[in-house]
Order: sequence, then C-alpha cells, then structure tokens
Amino acid sequence: DVKVTQSSRYLVKRTGEKVFLECVQDMDHENMFWYRQDPGLGLRLIYFSYDVKMKEKGDIPEGYSVSREKKERFSLILESASTNQTSMYLCASSLAVGRSPGTQYFGPGTRLLVL
Amino acid sequence: GENVEQHPSTLSVQEGDSAVIKCTYSDSASNYFPWYKQELGKRPQLIIDIRSNVGEKKDQRIAVTLNKTAKHFSLHITETQPEDSAVYFCAARGHNAGNMLTFGGGTRLMVKP
Repeated sequence: DVKVTQSSRYLVKRTGEKVFLECVQDMDHENMFWYRQDPGLGLRLIYFSYDVKMKEKGDIPEGYSVSREKKERFSLILESASTNQTSMYLCASSLAVGRSPGTQYFGPGTRLLVL
Repeated sequence: GENVEQHPSTLSVQEGDSAVIKCTYSDSASNYFPWYKQELGKRPQLIIDIRSNVGEKKDQRIAVTLNKTAKHFSLHITETQPEDSAVYFCAARGHNAGNMLTFGGGTRLMVKP
C-alpha cells in the first residue's frame, strides 16, 4: 500500500518567514509533485521531480523552490512567505512513465496560513 | 500546455439519481484521463481512469466516457449514495515529460438523502 506522508497537517507562519514543507513516500516512486489547492481552482502544479536532484517547474512556480536530495523525500520551500501563499499544499508521487499508467498518490495535505 | 475545464462546479442530486460531471481538454495529444475523489478533510484518491485508446470504462456504479474528437470526457455515477458526496477532480496527461497531470477546477457533489 502506497504511503505518502507530509511533515505537518497545519502550519501558521508570518509574512517573510522561510517555510519548509516536507513530503516522504515509501514506494520507491521516481516522480514526486507539489500542488497547491484553492477553492474553484483545483490542483495547480508548483514543481515536480522525476529523479533525485532533478526538478521541473509546473504551472505556478513563482515564490517557491524545491529540493530532492533523496529519492523518497521532496521538499517545498517558500523563501519568503506571503499572505497569497496561504493555501492547502498537497504532495504526490507516482512511478515513472512506462512503469505505470500515471496514477498519482497523494499525501494528506498541509494547510498553511501566512499572517 | 494542457488546459482542463470542468463543469459544473457544484452539483446537488437526490439519493438514487445519476450524476454527470464533464471535462474538456485542449491538448489533442493527451493520452490519460484519471478522476480523483476527495472527501472532506481527506486526500484525493483515484477512482477511475481511462486511456485514449478506449472510449468507455465502467466500474460498478461509476463510468467514464471519452470523446477524443471533441476533446471531452465525462464521469457518470449511477444510483448515487450519500457517501458519494465529495469533490471530484478530472485530470489529463498532456504531451509532456513525466507523469504530469493537469487538473480541472473540481466539482462538489452533494447527494441528498
């Protein structure tokens, strides 16, 4: 059974703070993703990684960076948090293209509030 | 890049009725179309998917249809039950690297007992 975990369920930060969100998967998946979820906008891709130390920008990368030093762990970094980054953040993982139909497995989400 | 639109944004049905959610996509090279269900306070979970070489797929009370010519696909839920109440997301995998999915805006389905 695939397990994707995120470091925090709820987080409150102040404007300008540096924020780290961590995601860990235990199924040896090559791909990992970070999304933000806002009402009416669905899930929007921030960044994804298809291998260790590899990253690709998604649709809304501005204000975010990522790090993938180990295969199982993918971190999302807000260098200087702003109020418009208040959102639900979802991590996901999947096998590489060719090894799976494309199913993504999601973590429980981190609800971030930036004051 | 791929663009996915989903309608309606909210849908209310009586228990036992059918529910239909529709999505359109822009990239004619898209080849994989999953549907995710997100119950309140929980993570999205895959409920059904369809690949571009198939026109319809069914799994018990849920079915998905795909019209490649028109670039739209739909989720059909028959004999709805209160536990079907959730937010449903469609997605499409466009012609891109990796397993990137583009999601629709979501549909909040409410099944009234």
